[in-house]
Amino acid sequence: GAGVSQTPSNKVTEKGKYVELRCDPISGHTALYWYRQSLGQGPEFLIYFQGTGAADDSGLPNDRFFAVRPEGSVSTLKIQRTERGDSAVYLCASSEGLAGGLINEQFFGPGTRLTVL
Amino acid sequence: AQSVAQPEDQVNVAEGNPLTVKCTYSVSGNPYLFWYVQYPNRGLQFLLKYITGDNLVKGSYGFEAEFNKSQTSFHLKKPSALVSDSALYFCAVRVRMDSSYKLIFGSGTRLLVRP
Repeated sequence: GAGVSQTPSNKVTEKGKYVELRCDPISGHTALYWYRQSLGQGPEFLIYFQGTGAADDSGLPNDRFFAVRPEGSVSTLKIQRTERGDSAVYLCASSEGLAGGLINEQFFGPGTRLTVL
Repeated sequence: AQSVAQPEDQVNVAEGNPLTVKCTYSVSGNPYLFWYVQYPNRGLQFLLKYITGDNLVKGSYGFEAEFNKSQTSFHLKKPSALVSDSALYFCAVRVRMDSSYKLIFGSGTRLLVRP
């Protein structure tokens, strides 16, 4: 079956612009996660959705970052007034179950590489 | 602070030889531990997990990992490395944060298997 997909695969933008990154999770997965991976680092947690609600957004670095999942499936990560330091690969993952998805493994998408010039 | 450490940036091994990629953790409570692999231009792929039970966990592609509570380690192992195993490997630990759980990843270890 289809895995987690993310679009676009690459996004180049200018400092100060607004970007949206999309994630299509595996059908039926209730848990959805966003991570950010900088060069040479492991993925860093940003936000976790259980269904439509953000159960934990403690990893969002500041109020320029926002994510939604209005129908409990597709999610969009939104970054306002982008800065060069936002450049990274943004990963989305989904998981079954209600137990925070942390007993069941997370399935990752290929990521969106964001470059802010 | 709850954390996971991968002390080696890179591990080099000859094809056919055994490999070990090291991981140590620091968490409160019982640890839930995971290994993921990342191939170039692809997402992370789940390899194996330790939740409870046997300390030796078997996973995908012939990999296994040994949970050692006294040493707070969860090293990834494979008896005979393949060139195709060359990739970036991440150890992760589940931590409790407020009303949910999240994964904390190590910084990754690049495995290079030479022919």
